[in-house]
Amino acid sequence: AQSVTQLDSHVSVSEGTPVLLRCNYSSSYSPSLFWYVQHPNKGLQLLLKYTSAATLVKGINGFEAEFKKSETSFHLTKPSAHMSDAAEYFCVVSISDSGNTGKLIFGQGTTLQVKP
Amino acid sequence: NAGVTQTPKFRVLKTGQSMTLLCAQDMNHEYMYWYRQDPGMGLRLIHYSVGEGTTAKGEVPDGYNVSRLKKQNFLLGLESAAPSQTSVYFCASSHDSARLAYEQYFGPGTRLTVT
Repeated sequence: AQSVTQLDSHVSVSEGTPVLLRCNYSSSYSPSLFWYVQHPNKGLQLLLKYTSAATLVKGINGFEAEFKKSETSFHLTKPSAHMSDAAEYFCVVSISDSGNTGKLIFGQGTTLQVKP
Repeated sequence: NAGVTQTPKFRVLKTGQSMTLLCAQDMNHEYMYWYRQDPGMGLRLIHYSVGEGTTAKGEVPDGYNVSRLKKQNFLLGLESAAPSQTSVYFCASSHDSARLAYEQYFGPGTRLTVT
């Protein structure tokens, strides 16, 4: 069975400093992994996705994530935080079932606070 | 393209009342999903559909029903609302393509309060 764990429920950084949001996954298959961002009172927007191509995935707004199979991790990083990055971030793994339903499993979310 | 839209955006119900949430997508996606979002729990799948006329249960289906009479629409119904159904509801849609990793596109959400 697949699962995903976001290791921090809340991360606080200063503007201009690096961001690291940690995610571990469990999957019997080679998974597809996603990071979504949700700004306050908004829907979810895809930041980036991993689909078994390059292990270093670049996304929008300067974010990137590295798929590490040996560590079963898919951590999200950004070199320099901006105030507009303050939001909730979800690490997501696809469910590999025989029906190919496209179902996803969401982590609990990490709230990123950016201080001026 | 409007993408995925949801109506209404907000709703307050009394216990026992019924309502229907409407989701519409204009991307010709085969797959559609309904989630609920509660604090500290991420998003949990209520029901989903892999094509017009088909629906299936997700992780938390109790108390909800769905219908997919048209490819572009996915309706979520609450027959007898309970306070435990107070939540934010999101609809999503995706292509039926493993090559695209079933990337899901989300609507803006409906905030439902049951008193």
